[in-house]
Amino acid sequence: DGGITQSPKYLFRKEGQNVTLSCEQNLNHDAMYWYRQDPGQGLRLIYYSQIVNDFQKGDIAEGYSVSREKKESFPLTVTSAQKNPTAFYLCASSIGTLSYEQYFGPGTRLTVT
Amino acid sequence: DAKTTQPPSMDCAEGRAANLPCNHSTISGNEYVYWYRQIHSQGPQYIIHGLKNNETNEMASLIITEDRKSSTLILPHATLRDTAVYYCIVRVARDSNYQLIWGAGTKLIIKP
Repeated sequence: DGGITQSPKYLFRKEGQNVTLSCEQNLNHDAMYWYRQDPGQGLRLIYYSQIVNDFQKGDIAEGYSVSREKKESFPLTVTSAQKNPTAFYLCASSIGTLSYEQYFGPGTRLTVT
Repeated sequence: DAKTTQPPSMDCAEGRAANLPCNHSTISGNEYVYWYRQIHSQGPQYIIHGLKNNETNEMASLIITEDRKSSTLILPHATLRDTAVYYCIVRVARDSNYQLIWGAGTKLIIKP
């Protein structure tokens, strides 16, 4: 089955530690995205990538970093510089950034204490 | 950026049509309206999108007013599995690309 996988579903970290969230897709999509969702709110774009070895900042990129070394993979690192890292993180992909539909993974819920 | 306003919650009886309103009074002429839904703690699912004309697919219908300042998503025969948060979204142009601007959504509860 084609789709997007995110692991793990739940992640716990101590304050001051960097943590990397995994996102893999086998849809052969060029574009990939990372969103953050806080309780009762909509999604906010962190980073997106249109193609391998290229990525752009979204609205809330501070304290986050990404890489896109392979078409299938777009990991997100939440650094210790992110002041409020506890949130639900969603990865998505689409055929291209101009295409209409984004396909979402199941999400990773990160809790930092 | 164009922003959307939706009621925070709505109820609908199972088997009835669910009509979800959305205001986007600052939308620009080339900005599309999208609808996604999110079942609790899962990734959002695409429903439908449109620019000016009404649209229909196997999931729903989208009615956009002539002035494009508001739209309505219609689920024709709601089932219990349609209980979810429904997001009305505007796609805006940013830095030679497009970005989805998400609002807070409407929590739709389908009641038996």
